[in-house]
Amino acid sequence: EPEVTQTPSHQVTQMGQEVILRCVPISNHLYFYWYRQILGQKVEFLVSFYNNEISEKSEIFDDQFSVERPDGSNFTLKIRSTKLEDSAMYFCASRDSRAAGNTIYFGEGSWLTVV
Amino acid sequence: RKEVEQDPGPFNVPEGATVAFNCTYSNSASQSFFWYRQDCRKEPKLLMSVYSSGNEDGRFTAQLNRASQYISLLIRDSKLSDSATYLCVVNQAGTALIFGKGTTLSVSS
Repeated sequence: EPEVTQTPSHQVTQMGQEVILRCVPISNHLYFYWYRQILGQKVEFLVSFYNNEISEKSEIFDDQFSVERPDGSNFTLKIRSTKLEDSAMYFCASRDSRAAGNTIYFGEGSWLTVV
Repeated sequence: RKEVEQDPGPFNVPEGATVAFNCTYSNSASQSFFWYRQDCRKEPKLLMSVYSSGNEDGRFTAQLNRASQYISLLIRDSKLSDSATYLCVVNQAGTALIFGKGTTLSVSS
């Protein structure tokens, strides 16, 4: 079964450093997402991406965050000047259609710890 | 008002029990509804979509009441492997999935 892959699986970074989380969505998918889940909290939407641009973003996705699809396969989330409260599991997801009922597939996540 | 609300549990049940989870959502424009399962520190995985007429997949039955903005999941004959957090998820066309905080189920032998 095709899958969304994410790297790294776990990263520890010092406060103030920049972090790039990488994702390879399923190859024929067109819509890409980043979600995050702080330990013990719910899964929260960050941003969606289609046709090389952001299609929707949440209040969480402020100027500290950016996304990019640099080469047609990778989809990255950059977090500038990380803060302690950025510690969370970050999930990448993709789907092939915008239709409401269409299945979205999640990667296994990148666990970010900011110290 | 929270967009998707669930009883957090935990629900502790013996093997073989029947257990039901409830969920309410606030946005009446929501069009699609799902139950996801999440194991500890793992990604959410789709358990089943929820259709207006109700639907069943083996031991799992999902119901939707649009008028009450209420979704349910029934698990029959619980197995140890059903222990997980069950996430209620809603969606409008073209927008992001909105997750509830989840209901934790623990099935014991």
